[in-house]
This record gives sequence, structure tokens and C-alpha cells, in this order.
Amino acid sequence: QQQVKQSPQSLIVQKGGISIINCAYENTAFDYFPWYQQFPGKGPALLIAIRPDVSEKKEGRFTISFNKSAKQFSLHIMDSQPGDSATYFCAAFWIYKYIFGTGTRLKVLA
Amino acid sequence: GAGVSQSPSNKVTEKGKDVELRCDPISGHTALYWYRQSLGQGLEFLIYFQGNSAPDKSGLPSDRFSAERTGGSVSTLTIQRTQQEDSAVYLCASSLGGANVLTFGAGSRLTVL
Repeated sequence: QQQVKQSPQSLIVQKGGISIINCAYENTAFDYFPWYQQFPGKGPALLIAIRPDVSEKKEGRFTISFNKSAKQFSLHIMDSQPGDSATYFCAAFWIYKYIFGTGTRLKVLA
Repeated sequence: GAGVSQSPSNKVTEKGKDVELRCDPISGHTALYWYRQSLGQGLEFLIYFQGNSAPDKSGLPSDRFSAERTGGSVSTLTIQRTQQEDSAVYLCASSLGGANVLTFGAGSRLTVL
């Protein structure tokens, strides 16, 4: 019940394409859903986050779509660029604890 | 400081030795977390500190693992009698608490030979 399931494990997208990463959760007590981006040799860094009272949040080329009834949320990267190549983690937060998905390795081809 | 600092960045040790990993969180951040990231894997929760107290140690894999935090600041993760399966990147993160931005350090890569 504490798990966050993330898919796909890896993703290859052409430059200019749309990258979509999906996450699902079971615990309806989760109340904050961030996405983190990690480059090799670095720690994860917050990319964008959403709370369950909204269905979508957009920041530049990055959009979170949130479906509370389905207990699913997804990250969309529009106009994907080679510089977006990284590992992406979704997460869910409750009280004090962040539960992370298993990560998606994104490669954007030039 | 400006960010979360971790040291050492890399540590190679022999099986059976003890290691200490250090984390300097962002000044004023009361919440501190340790995560473990194995090769190609996700982020495994180890322990959470609020101030100097650790209300959740549930992620520590065995009694060979321990952590402390002093002065509401620096934290040390200690692994005793290291095993090869302990090889991983150990990430520290801090925040103001609650659902605030979690800022990670660059990690300490531990290799146990």
C-alpha cells in the first residue's frame, strides 16, 4: 500500500517528441506528488510537483496530469530535448515520508 | 550552506570494515532523510530525522546500519561489518519539513570489495 509503481523503466524519444511517464499509487492518504530529475553522478532534483486538489500543473515544457479517482499521475515532457536525457522519479508524500517510484531512464535522440 | 553536502563522494572498502558517511544539510532544514540507490534501482528509504530525533528508522536494512544527527544539523550514517550487498549510492536529503521541497546531496558511492 506504500508503493508507488512507475512505468516505463526506460524510454527513448526523438528530439521534439513527447515523453510520457506514468505512476500509480494505492494509499489515498498521499497528499503531495513531486517529480524528480536525476543526471548521472548527481542527486535527484525537484522538477515539478502537484497536490491532489488539482488535475493538471504545467511549468514550461513539463506537465503533471493527476487522476485522483484512478490514483494515477503522469509526467509529460513536450518538445523533448537531448538535455532532458536523465532518470525521472515520481514520488508520493504522506505526513513526513516520501515514497519514490523505481525510476524511468529517458534518452532523447538528437 | 547553499546545498546538501555529502562526504566522502566515493568510498571503497573491504568486506567486514566499518564505514561512516556524512551529511551536511541545508542550514535551517529540520527534516533529514537517508536513501539508498542501488545500481539501476529506485530510491530506498532508510531513515528520517526531525531535529535530532529519528521517529522512523524502519528502512534500515539490518542492525549493522545506524545513523545519528547532532545539533539539528550534521548526520552520520554508519555501516558496520560491511557486506558486498551494501554497495550502493547513499543519498542524503533535507527539507523544512512537511511537504516542502526535498533537496538531495550528490550522494556517497560505497563500493565493498
